[in-house]
Amino acid sequence: AQSVTQLDSHVSVSEGTPVLLRCNYSSSYSPSLFWYVQHPNKGLQLLLKYTSAATLVKGINGFEAEFKKSETSFHLTKPSAHMSDAAEYFCVVTPFSGGYNKLIFGAGTRLAVHP
Amino acid sequence: DGGITQSPKYLFRKEGQNVTLSCEQNLNHDAMYWYRQDPGQGLRLIYYSQIVNDFQKGDIAEGYSVSREKKESFPLTVTSAQKNPTAFYLCASSLPRRQTNTGELFFGEGSRLTVL
Repeated sequence: AQSVTQLDSHVSVSEGTPVLLRCNYSSSYSPSLFWYVQHPNKGLQLLLKYTSAATLVKGINGFEAEFKKSETSFHLTKPSAHMSDAAEYFCVVTPFSGGYNKLIFGAGTRLAVHP
Repeated sequence: DGGITQSPKYLFRKEGQNVTLSCEQNLNHDAMYWYRQDPGQGLRLIYYSQIVNDFQKGDIAEGYSVSREKKESFPLTVTSAQKNPTAFYLCASSLPRRQTNTGELFFGEGSRLTVL
């Protein structure tokens, strides 16, 4: 069975400091992994995706994530937080199997950025 | 521009009333989805459709109904049988597996339903 755990429900950082949002997954198949961002009362926007081509994935707005199979982790990082990064972030897993794109969502991590 | 349009953005309903949320996409995607979002619970799948005139129940389909008469449209009806309908509803679409190996979804801006 597939599952995804976001280890922190809330993260608070100061502007200009690094961001780390943690995600662990469980999948019986070789998965695809995603990070989505959601600003208040908005839809979800894809930040980045892992599809086995490279373990270090770069996304939009300076975010990146590293796929570590041995640790079953896909943590999201950014070297320097900006006020506009304040939002909710979702780690998502989907197996490489047939059928529709069944995405499994983590519960989300709310990122606060302080001046 | 291509994208997914949900309407209305905000909707209020009295108990016992059915309401329909609209979702239209011009991305030429075959698959469409409805998710429900509650605070602290992430997203839960209500219904999905892989092709016109076909749809399947997701994890929390009770009290909801859908139709897929056109490729571009996937409306969701929240019926009076849904006991706790107040939530944020998100529509999404994707390409089928044979055209992509990523499985990523494209989301609309959401509809917030409040039951009075």
